[in-house]
Amino acid sequence: QKEVEQDPGPLSVPEGAIVSLNCTYSNSAFQYFMWYRQYSRKGPELLMYTYSSGNKEDGRFTAQVDKSSKYISLFIRDSQPSDSATYLCAMSPTGNQFYFGTGTSLTVIP
Amino acid sequence: NAGVTQTPKFQVLKTGQSMTLQCAQDMNHNSMYWYRQDPGMGLRLIYYSASEGTTDKGEVPNGYNVSRLNKREFSLRLESAAPSQTSVYFCASSRLADTQYFGPGTRLTVL
Repeated sequence: QKEVEQDPGPLSVPEGAIVSLNCTYSNSAFQYFMWYRQYSRKGPELLMYTYSSGNKEDGRFTAQVDKSSKYISLFIRDSQPSDSATYLCAMSPTGNQFYFGTGTSLTVIP
Repeated sequence: NAGVTQTPKFQVLKTGQSMTLQCAQDMNHNSMYWYRQDPGMGLRLIYYSASEGTTDKGEVPNGYNVSRLNKREFSLRLESAAPSQTSVYFCASSRLADTQYFGPGTRLTVL
């Protein structure tokens, strides 16, 4: 079983839709939770970071962590064509070793 | 401020050849990382360096060696390349556990 599971999609939504992206994990020691966005042929860039459980909001993006269910989510409100990318979740128990999901490919159609 | 730079951008090797991937950061970060990204596998950690002078194995270290030359530079060496090492390689750096900054990647093909 992989440490982090993420549905690869692809996911296709109309502009303005709310997008929900999810990851599940098996290691209860994970404390650091991150979401990255990766455009084609580019390096990942950090979108959201959460330590332990709870919600965090930044503009159109909201990250949620439910440690009891070992489940994290990223919500994108009012999605834009520029949000079209691959979204990667990442987790770490210590802040040194990071475990990534395989990524979900998102396309926002104008 | 260039952030994280990687060289080369592309490389084609024959099986058994050796090469070194170079990475440098200008953000004064303590920690640096090497990942490989393969379709359906996501990003997997090869090696990391929590500080200058230290290196540790990640999830997939076999076939690779690293050198933390100084605080700025962290290189990845393939001593005898194999087709299974065909991948996109990313270097990253971070000051704290929460934020990793990635380079643009090196696309390596081993024939």
